[in-house]
Amino acid sequence: AQSVTQLGSHVSVSEGALVLLRCNYSSSVPPYLFWYVQYPNQGLQLLLKYTSAATLVKGINGFEAEFKKSETSFHLTKPSAHMSDAAEYFCAVGHEGGYNKLIFGAGTRLAVHP
Amino acid sequence: KAGVTQTPRYLIKTRGQQVTLSCSPISGHRSVSWYQQTPGQGLQFLFEYFSETQRNKGNFPGRFSGRQFSNSRSEMNVSTLELGDSALYLCASSSTGGREEPQHFGDGTRLSIL
Repeated sequence: AQSVTQLGSHVSVSEGALVLLRCNYSSSVPPYLFWYVQYPNQGLQLLLKYTSAATLVKGINGFEAEFKKSETSFHLTKPSAHMSDAAEYFCAVGHEGGYNKLIFGAGTRLAVHP
Repeated sequence: KAGVTQTPRYLIKTRGQQVTLSCSPISGHRSVSWYQQTPGQGLQFLFEYFSETQRNKGNFPGRFSGRQFSNSRSEMNVSTLELGDSALYLCASSSTGGREEPQHFGDGTRLSIL
């Protein structure tokens, strides 16, 4: 069975500091991985996706993630946090059967303080 | 291109009632999935429709049902509402539902059961 684990339900950083949100996955087939962001009272917005073309993936708003097969990880980073980055972030893996089904991690709430 | 549209945004119902939620996918997208988001259980897959056929279903009771129309619009129905059905219900669309495809989410319908 596939699963996604996000370490740290809450992460707090200072404005301008590095953002690192951790995601580990389990999958019996080559994974397709995604990071989504959710702002209050909104749906999920795609930040970036890994579909095997490149291990370092760049997304929107200055975020990037690196796929490491040996560590079964897909951590999300941003060099310098902005106040507007405060939101909840979800890592997800595409279900091995397809059919538009994502398996999500529990989410990490990012707080950015001045 | 218009995004995924969900209506209504908010609903308040009482136990025992039934409710219908609507989702209009991005134009050209034929796969529509539904998710339930709660603080305790996180994001859970309900079901997926493609070309008016349900292709995949999550572990929810039969009170949760859905359908898709020929124009790809989808509805979700919950009968005999329970307090535990209070949640944000998210709809997501993609072109064909392949596991490498990112899903595009609507802003959700927040359902509150009194």
